[in-house]
Amino acid sequence: EVQLVESGGGLVKPGSSLKLSCVASGFTFSSYGMHWIRQAPKKGLEWIALIYYDSSNKYYADSVKGRFTISRDNSKNTLYLEMNSLRSEDTAMYYCAKNWGDYWGQGVMVTVSS
Amino acid sequence: DIQMTQSPSSLPASLGDRVTITCRASQDIGNYLRWFQQKPGKSPRLMIYGATNLAAGVPSRFSGSRSGSDYSLTISSLESEDMADYYCLQSKESPLTFGGGTKLELK
Repeated sequence: EVQLVESGGGLVKPGSSLKLSCVASGFTFSSYGMHWIRQAPKKGLEWIALIYYDSSNKYYADSVKGRFTISRDNSKNTLYLEMNSLRSEDTAMYYCAKNWGDYWGQGVMVTVSS
Repeated sequence: DIQMTQSPSSLPASLGDRVTITCRASQDIGNYLRWFQQKPGKSPRLMIYGATNLAAGVPSRFSGSRSGSDYSLTISSLESEDMADYYCLQSKESPLTFGGGTKLELK
């Protein structure tokens, strides 16, 4: 059974940093691209980052480019999202997703507020 | 960036109705179109991939189609468990973009 479990969220102040993790199981993690997708409260889905299976390519939404970094450790079956210079508009549920959304984690909440 | 214009934003319907949700792509995306269902408080679930292919475990009353740059998700006979938000996603190129969503609710 495919499982994706996010962690690392919380309440932080504007300008702070946070690092999210997503631990994968039930499939060969090193064979698949992975995504981070977020959803602000009561809003729609927003794709924010993609990393290829071997980390050879990374892509970002303009809204996070230069502030967020996606990475992975295939030896630990773990996907990461390092978030810097956080803003109130980054407040959202953050989901990791396998491949092109085949499976999603349960999400982790990030709240940016003073 | 490719824009995905989804309509309607809200769709009141009755059980047993046939309903259709549409996304229009601003550029050619071929069949790089996916549909997701999201129930309140839950993570999204893949329903359709490659514009017309049913994901594993999805009931056969769901179907996807394409006409030019218009992509549709159709539920042939609405059941109570189908009440949810639906989103399309284009995965042709980065940045990937979602449609604005459709809230399917009981009339």
